[in-house]
Amino acid sequence: EAQLVESGGGLVQPGGSLRLSCVVSGLAFPSHWMSWVRQAPGKGLEWVANIKQDGSEKNYVDSVKGRFTISRDNAKNSLSLQMDSLRAEDTAVYYCARGGWYSEFWGQGTLVTVSS
Amino acid sequence: EIVMTQSPATLSVSPGERATLSCRASQSVSSNLVWYQQKPGQAPRLLIYGASTRATGIPARFSGSGSGTEFTLTISSLQSEDFAVYYCQQYNNWPRTFGQGTKVEIK
Repeated sequence: EAQLVESGGGLVQPGGSLRLSCVVSGLAFPSHWMSWVRQAPGKGLEWVANIKQDGSEKNYVDSVKGRFTISRDNAKNSLSLQMDSLRAEDTAVYYCARGGWYSEFWGQGTLVTVSS
Repeated sequence: EIVMTQSPATLSVSPGERATLSCRASQSVSSNLVWYQQKPGQAPRLLIYGASTRATGIPARFSGSGSGTEFTLTISSLQSEDFAVYYCQQYNNWPRTFGQGTKVEIK
């Protein structure tokens, strides 16, 4: 059974950092692009970043460039998102998703709240 | 960045009726468009990819059409489980962008 399980969300002050993780099972993780997509409370979806199978290519939405870093560990079937210099507008549920273009497989999401 | 615009924002439909949702791209995305369904507290569920191909396990009452800049999702006969928010998303360019969503509610 396909499973994507995110962790690492929580409350952080503006300017702070947080690292999200996603462990994937049942989905041939090393063979696929992976992505992070977020959704602010009560709002729509925003594709944040994606990463190629071998990590050699990464893309970021402009609003997080220079602040967020996507990475992966294929030996551990794990995807990460290092988030630095966090802002109030980064408050959202962050989803891990298989694929770099669209996704059929999503995690349940982890909530990140940026507030003082 | 390609801007995706969905209409209407809210669609009130009775069970058993047909629902037609629209999505417009600010520039051509060819057929590189998907539709998702999202219910409260859940992750999005892929319905349609390539503008018109149903994803695995999606009922035949869901159909997608269009190419270029104009796209449509049709639900032929609404079931109780179909009341949700629907998003279109283009994957022709980076960044991938979503429409703002159409909420399908019970009339």
